[in-house]
Amino acid sequence: ETGVTQTPRHLVMGMTNKKSLKCEQHLGHNAMYWYKQSAKKPLELMFVYNFKEQTENNSVPSRFSPECPNSSHLFLHLHTLQPEDSALYLCASSQVQGRGGNQPQHFGDGTRLSIL
Amino acid sequence: GESVGLHLPTLSVQEGDNSIINCAYSNSASDYFIWYKQESGKGPQFIIDIRSNMDKRQGQRVTVLLNKTVKHLSLQIAATQPGDSAVYFCAERAGTASKLTFGTGTRLQVTL
Repeated sequence: ETGVTQTPRHLVMGMTNKKSLKCEQHLGHNAMYWYKQSAKKPLELMFVYNFKEQTENNSVPSRFSPECPNSSHLFLHLHTLQPEDSALYLCASSQVQGRGGNQPQHFGDGTRLSIL
Repeated sequence: GESVGLHLPTLSVQEGDNSIINCAYSNSASDYFIWYKQESGKGPQFIIDIRSNMDKRQGQRVTVLLNKTVKHLSLQIAATQPGDSAVYFCAERAGTASKLTFGTGTRLQVTL
């Protein structure tokens, strides 16, 4: 139990479908993140939310749309994805302290996404 | 650009031996480093971290060493067990940014 729960664990969708990934953290953290993990590539940061406000969009295509309604929940809305978007999508959370601080990010187990 | 990388993609060790996983980083401004373990079908799990004002930190069966002179980080696992088999990532962060930069990972295989 990592304290970060992602659903669904697996998702298969067509390129014209619309789906959403959900992440919930039970750690009382104030920052949440979406990462993409593809085979043989480093983890790629997609979005960062601090105190529900998006603070980073790492040049992610608009077919990925994040939503953070509160500091415990994070969504990633998917629309018109491409086959190269097939990957493991990981959510993480951390406690961001004043002046940055140094606290590790805690990850969920991810959603394995396959685009047909 | 800045990067964090790993010297060895796969490391095979016998059960009971010590393991050493290495990581090189290039951003001299990095001041915080983390090691993660990722088992098959799971997300990265925090193992240990170290700040740049330290050169060594120990946890339970793990030790992280930081050499800022040569920008090198290592993770030592004592008495490696089959449950240690996983991919290990190092990550670094510079200054007050919350963004972590990850390496590609090293797969640790523990043989009986």
